Amino acid sequence: DAGVIQSPRHEVTEMGQEVTLRCKPISGHNSLFWYRQTMMRGLELLIYFNNNVPIDDSGMPEDRFSAKMPNASFSTLKIQPSEPRDSAVYFCASSSLYRGNTEAFFGQGTRLTVV
Amino acid sequence: AQTVTQSQPEMSVQEAETVTLSCTYDTSENNYYLFWYKQPPSRQMILVIRQEAYKQQNATENRFSVNFQKAAKSFSLKISDSQLGDTAMYFCAFMKHVGGHYGQNFVFGPGTRLSVLP
Repeated sequence: DAGVIQSPRHEVTEMGQEVTLRCKPISGHNSLFWYRQTMMRGLELLIYFNNNVPIDDSGMPEDRFSAKMPNASFSTLKIQPSEPRDSAVYFCASSSLYRGNTEAFFGQGTRLTVV
Repeated sequence: AQTVTQSQPEMSVQEAETVTLSCTYDTSENNYYLFWYKQPPSRQMILVIRQEAYKQQNATENRFSVNFQKAAKSFSLKISDSQLGDTAMYFCAFMKHVGGHYGQNFVFGPGTRLSVLP
């Protein structure tokens, strides 16, 4: 398996524009997480899906942020409209937590810069 | 809510020596999972080691081992024979196991920056 794949690796956009980040989890994993990493706040859990269903989105900072998982192999995180304070590295992680076997792996992250 | 604390913002160790990174967590749950991740300058989050709370035996992965003290809610990482490539941020993480909704609250500590000195 190629691991968790995120795209794009880097994104530079102007304030007010819509930004869509993409994630392909590891095949067979049943949970998917979106994180935001900044120097000030560290790794923040934004939203978590289990079997494609959003379970906990309490970490989503504002209504400008939305996430979807239309199928087991794809998820998006959208920011509309984007603001400079959204600049961060966004990670996607997928996990398999069946009894007796746990693993959780991250994608390489998307560095978002909003100017 | 679960919280993870790493009390050492920065540490350094001489190459070939042993270093221990501390992690404590707060939870009322009985079933959960603990992880250590490494983030080198490349920013990739790399899984180092994992521990299931129901297992009493401490996990080991080559030069990496943990000291899991469930009653004390402590999960420290020991790196033996430190190598220059071990220089990175190290994050401790907690994942709750609740019924059919596995993995709720996969939360991370603030990290410890480890420098291995030649």
